Amino acid sequence: QVQLQESGPGLVKPSQTLSLTCTVSGGSISSGSYYWSWIRQPAGKGLEWIGRIYTSGSTNYNPSLKSRVTISVDTSKNQFSLKLSSVTAADTAVYYCARDGGPGGIFDYWGQGTLVTVSS
Amino acid sequence: NFMLTQPHSVSESPGKTVTISCTGSSGSIASNYVQWYQQRPGSAPTTVIYEDNQRPSGVPDRFSGSIDSSSNSASLTISGLKTEDEADYYCQSYDSSNYVVFGGGTKLTVL
Repeated sequence: QVQLQESGPGLVKPSQTLSLTCTVSGGSISSGSYYWSWIRQPAGKGLEWIGRIYTSGSTNYNPSLKSRVTISVDTSKNQFSLKLSSVTAADTAVYYCARDGGPGGIFDYWGQGTLVTVSS
Repeated sequence: NFMLTQPHSVSESPGKTVTISCTGSSGSIASNYVQWYQQRPGSAPTTVIYEDNQRPSGVPDRFSGSIDSSSNSASLTISGLKTEDEADYYCQSYDSSNYVVFGGGTKLTVL
């Protein structure tokens, strides 16, 4: 059973960089033709896809966030990471990592989510 | 930009049938698969329908999905409603660049 767990600071100051890591257990991040995605959800609002990475390092980003987002992967640690720069209060949300079947595929495994608050 | 539009909320009584729509803003919604996710408060979403009308194992056959090309919409239908079905439901598909797009979500109340 694949499990994902987000980790990182719960509080980030405005204009700084939000950094989160997703640790995958129960299977290798490199096995199968899967992508690994980040998705966020502000309180009381809907889901927003941030971007995805393939284990080759190939990435796709939501055009609305592309200028501020970097997603990377460390296959040796079975982890992938999110960096979001120049954050504002609008970036306050629960951040989820998820296994992504890629174009046409589904998000079949999700982390529990981690709340990141942007505040001074 | 491709968008998916869902009703903000729907409500129905236990035992009844409810349908949640998801309308594509442009192009043909049939061009890419549509998935449906259920999200209960405080929990991560889970898949209830994938590839337009397929149910993951463990999802009861009370849940079904369909595509209507004439209205450029996908629909999630839940029959024999149970109080446990009360949740937020999100449709999801892809735009022309194969980027992920979520609908705004529909709050289902079973009362």
